[in-house]
This record gives sequence, structure tokens and C-alpha cells, in this order.
Amino acid sequence: NAGVTQTPKFQVLKTGQSMTLQCAQDMNHNSMYWYRQDPGMGLRLIYYSASEGTTDKGEVPNGYNVSRLNKREFSLRLESAAPSQTSVYFCASSESSAQETQYFGPGTRLLVL
Amino acid sequence: QKEVEQNSGPLSVPEGAIASLNCTYSDRGSQSFFWYRQYSGKSPELIMSIYSNGDKEDGRFTAQLNKASQYVSLLIRDSQPSDSATYLCAVRGGRDDKIIFGKGTRLHILP
Repeated sequence: NAGVTQTPKFQVLKTGQSMTLQCAQDMNHNSMYWYRQDPGMGLRLIYYSASEGTTDKGEVPNGYNVSRLNKREFSLRLESAAPSQTSVYFCASSESSAQETQYFGPGTRLLVL
Repeated sequence: QKEVEQNSGPLSVPEGAIASLNCTYSDRGSQSFFWYRQYSGKSPELIMSIYSNGDKEDGRFTAQLNKASQYVSLLIRDSQPSDSATYLCAVRGGRDDKIIFGKGTRLHILP
């Protein structure tokens, strides 16, 4: 089992460009999450999906959209990237929203120039 | 807004000693508490969870929870250089039931 996978590993964007970060899990988990991690700021929740077909905003949703494509996949889209979105993005999954153990992917490092 | 506070460190501890990491939280209704370890350039991994007052031991790790003082700690006995990492405290429950992470404490074990 690969666990949680994320693509790409690294990306450089220019301001105003768009991109989609992909996340997939093979653990048959119901819940999936997107976090960003900035130096000195810890992990902050962007969006989450408690189950297939549902998505909810987290702490810092502005500038992002998400799609829960199916049970396995949860994508994060930046429609018009800004330098403030330079960060490391982590996807995570858990059995359910009530099951606290979250398993994290390896992360995507994004630089917006 | 639920808050989780940690000393950013770095906390330097000699090899073989006990490392003590501390975390306080603001939402008195919080019910679930977690410690994640994150090596530099890697993703967080769960090392301990605790839900009730008292101590919970797992190998060299002990989590301690005091809900009255809104305080959770992680003790690492017989510290090894491989324990050098950032330790993230996370708290769930209370007003919005979301997990909130602290900013992490950098731990450096001195050989």
C-alpha cells in the first residue's frame, strides 16, 4: 500500500497562474484533508472532506477550491496563484472525521513568484 | 478561535536524558490530544494520542494530560539523536470539533 500520495512534489508558478494539486489514498478512508504549512505558522487546515461528496472550509480557505473526485482522490486547486500561497501543502486522510488518526502524504512544495 | 500553544524551541537535550515537550490549549471542551513528529522536509507522523487525564506510555514515550490546567505534555525517555525533529501538538473537540495544530517545538538531541 502506498498510503497517501501527492503530485507534484515541487512546483514553481508565476503570479496569476493556476494549478491543481492531486492527492490519492489507498486505505479506503472516508475523510480527507488539505493543509498548508508555513515557517512559524504550523499546519493550517484549508479544506476537508468528511466523506465522498462533501467538502467543508477549514481555517484558511480563501484562494483555494477543492474537489472530492471519488473516495480515493481529493484535489486542491489554485485558480490564480499569489506569492502568499508559497507554502508546503500536505494532504491527509483518516478512516472517518471522527477517527482522529490522520495519515499524511509526502507534501508538495509550491513556490509562487 | 481555538488555540494551541507550544514553545518553538529549539529545545536541546543531551543524549540519554529525558526530553519534555509542553503544549497548552484554549478550548476547555477539547477532548482528543495528539503528538505528531515531523522530521525536516518530511510529513508529520502520529506518535501518541491521549483522551483522558493522566499518563499514557508507549515505549520511550509518555503523554500526560491535565484537562483542568488545559495542558498536555510529551516525555521522551533515553533520548536518541534520531528523536531530533519538530514535535507538533494537536487538539480536537470543543466548539468546532476540528483538529488544530500547534506551531511545533524543535527538539535537538545532543550526541
